[in-house]
Amino acid sequence: KAGVTQTPRYLIKTRGQQVTLSCSPISGHRSVSWYQQTPGQGLQFLFEYFSETQRNKGNFPGRFSGRQFSNSRSEMNVSTLELGDSALYLCASSFGGGAEPYEQYFGPGTRLTVT
Amino acid sequence: AQSVAQPEDQVNVAEGNPLTVKCTYSVSGNPYLFWYVQYPNRGLQFLLKYITGDNLVKGSYGFEAEFNKSQTSFHLKKPSALVSDSALYFCAVRDGGATNKLIFGTGTLLAVQP
Repeated sequence: KAGVTQTPRYLIKTRGQQVTLSCSPISGHRSVSWYQQTPGQGLQFLFEYFSETQRNKGNFPGRFSGRQFSNSRSEMNVSTLELGDSALYLCASSFGGGAEPYEQYFGPGTRLTVT
Repeated sequence: AQSVAQPEDQVNVAEGNPLTVKCTYSVSGNPYLFWYVQYPNRGLQFLLKYITGDNLVKGSYGFEAEFNKSQTSFHLKKPSALVSDSALYFCAVRDGGATNKLIFGTGTLLAVQP
C-alpha cells in the first residue's frame, strides 16, 4: 500500500505570495491532519479534516486554510506569506474518525522557505 | 488540557547498551499515547501506541514503551541500541474528544555512538 504523499517536496516563495500544498492520504484513510514543524515551535497542529469536513483547527491565523476533497485528498493554502511561515509542513492520514485512537501516518513533508 | 513533556533534549548511549527516552503526560480522561521517530529530512514514523491494557507496549524496530499511571510516564525503551536508531523521537498524546489531533512533546535527539 502506498504511503502518504505530499507535493511539492520543496518550495521557495517570496513574502506576500500565496502557496498551496497537496496531500494524498493512504488509500482507505478518510482523516487528514496538517502540522507545522519549526525548530523554535516544534510540531504544531494546523487542522484536521474528516469526510470533507474540518473538525478541528489549531491556533493559526486565518491566512492558513485547508480543504478536503471527496477522494480524501487534502490541500492547505497559506496566503500573504510571512518569513515566519518557513517550516516543514507535514500531512498525516488516519483510518478512523477519532472515536477509536488509530495511529496517524505521516508524509515526508513539504519544506517551505519564504524569502 | 492534554500535554506531554520530554525532559531531555538529547540522550547519548553506546551501541549495544539499553536506551530509554523519557516522556511524561498530563491528561483528563483516558490517555492515548504515541511514540514517533523522525529521521533527517523525513516525516514522522509511527513506532507504537498505548490505548489500554498491558502496561508494556511493543512496537516497531524492537522498541517498547512502559506506561506508568502512577508516575504519569510513558518511557520509550530498547534493550540494545543500534547506531541506526540515532534520530529525533517524539512522544504525543491524542487530544480530548473525537479527534485525531496529536499534541507533541518537544522531541528528544537520540545519539547512539559506535
